[in-house]
Amino acid sequence: DAGVIQSPRHEVTEMGQEVTLRCKLISGHNSLFWYRQTMMRGLELLIYFNNNVPIDDSGMPEDRFSAKMPNASFSTLKIQPSEPRDSAVYFCASTLPNGGNTIYFGEGSWLTVV
Amino acid sequence: RKEVEQDPGPFNVPEGATVAFNCTYSNSASQSFFWYRQDCRKEPKLLMSVYSSGNEDGRFTAQLNRASQYISLLIRDSKLSDSATYLCVGFTGGGNKLTFGTGTQLKVEL
Repeated sequence: DAGVIQSPRHEVTEMGQEVTLRCKLISGHNSLFWYRQTMMRGLELLIYFNNNVPIDDSGMPEDRFSAKMPNASFSTLKIQPSEPRDSAVYFCASTLPNGGNTIYFGEGSWLTVV
Repeated sequence: RKEVEQDPGPFNVPEGATVAFNCTYSNSASQSFFWYRQDCRKEPKLLMSVYSSGNEDGRFTAQLNRASQYISLLIRDSKLSDSATYLCVGFTGGGNKLTFGTGTQLKVEL
């Protein structure tokens, strides 16, 4: 079975550019999470969705960040405009319905903003 | 104060040693706890769940003390392959929310 699939795996972009990160959930999963990981702050939850509906976006750092889940299997995280402090690894993860106990992560998108 | 706190380490131990990691949590509504393992430049993966009665999986033992809001992971007879970062995780139901600690780094050396 395919796991959580993220793209791009690596991106280097210039400050001010728009960045779009993509995530495909595991088939049958209905909760999706976007995390950001840095050395300083560890793994931070940005936003999560249940059945395509955003449930908690309190971790989204500011208005430059937005996330969408247009269908049950796909999500995007957009940063516009990007800044050097956005450099981090962005993980997408999903869980089964009523299966919040086990979260499956994608391999991450490594973002560097210069 | 972070909702889940861990000693970041690193813990440098010789092969064969026993090492223990601790984690404290502040949200008393947290229902379940887990340990995840993250290898360098990889995604976190579930290592084991943590039950109030304590549970063991091979060389790994996890404990939960709800009164003290404290979780532990014990690794016996450590192997070089155990070198990784270990993340303590709390699950708050209702919102289906997992909160990760910042992780404890373990380095097992020859």
